[in-house]
Amino acid sequence: AQTVTQSQPEMSVQEAETVTLSCTYDTSESDYYLFWYKQPPSRQMILVIRQEAYKQQNATENRFSVNFQKAAKSFSLKISDSQLGDAAMYFCAYRSADGAQKLVFGQGTRLTINP
Amino acid sequence: SAVISQKPSRDICQRGTSLTIQCQVDSQVTMMFWYRQQPGQSLTLIATANQGSEATYESGFVIDKFPISRPNLTFSTLTVSNMSPEDSSIYLCSVGAWGSNTEAFFGQGTRLTVV
Repeated sequence: AQTVTQSQPEMSVQEAETVTLSCTYDTSESDYYLFWYKQPPSRQMILVIRQEAYKQQNATENRFSVNFQKAAKSFSLKISDSQLGDAAMYFCAYRSADGAQKLVFGQGTRLTINP
Repeated sequence: SAVISQKPSRDICQRGTSLTIQCQVDSQVTMMFWYRQQPGQSLTLIATANQGSEATYESGFVIDKFPISRPNLTFSTLTVSNMSPEDSSIYLCSVGAWGSNTEAFFGQGTRLTVV
């Protein structure tokens, strides 16, 4: 079974600075998808960024980018120019490419932005 | 994209009673998922609900405690039966990816408190 580990329960960063959230995973599969979801106090799960394992190029979405290291099974999220609205719980998630569609989540990292 | 309406958004229930949570999607989807998020924890998959067949439960979750219905391709319900305070959690409905879209979409969650 796949597992996802986020070793940072909490992180904080000054507004406008850069922060990196860590995520490692364990799988024997060669094809899969990785995601970062954001959960603000509203409870709504919001997709931040996704990465297909077959793509070597790291995904980027505006201020958000990932460092995907397939051999090391590492998938970190970098947030540049942090904004107060980035404060939330961030979850790393894994999904097989086998059609099952279910997600395996990490424990989450609570990100605080200091003004 | 998919818009998911989940209700109720919150409820306070007496122990020993049952609560049924509804999930309505604005498009037809093959798979729907129910997750539990215990206080301060990550999301854990309860079961996968496919239309026309019995739900598939994850380890640690049983049908007698969490019966699920999936009467059509746009609707599902999750019942939390014979509730105890340990069932106090956020319950989230999700729909998986279809076609070339790898993103999962979530309802806004139901915050359940059992007293």
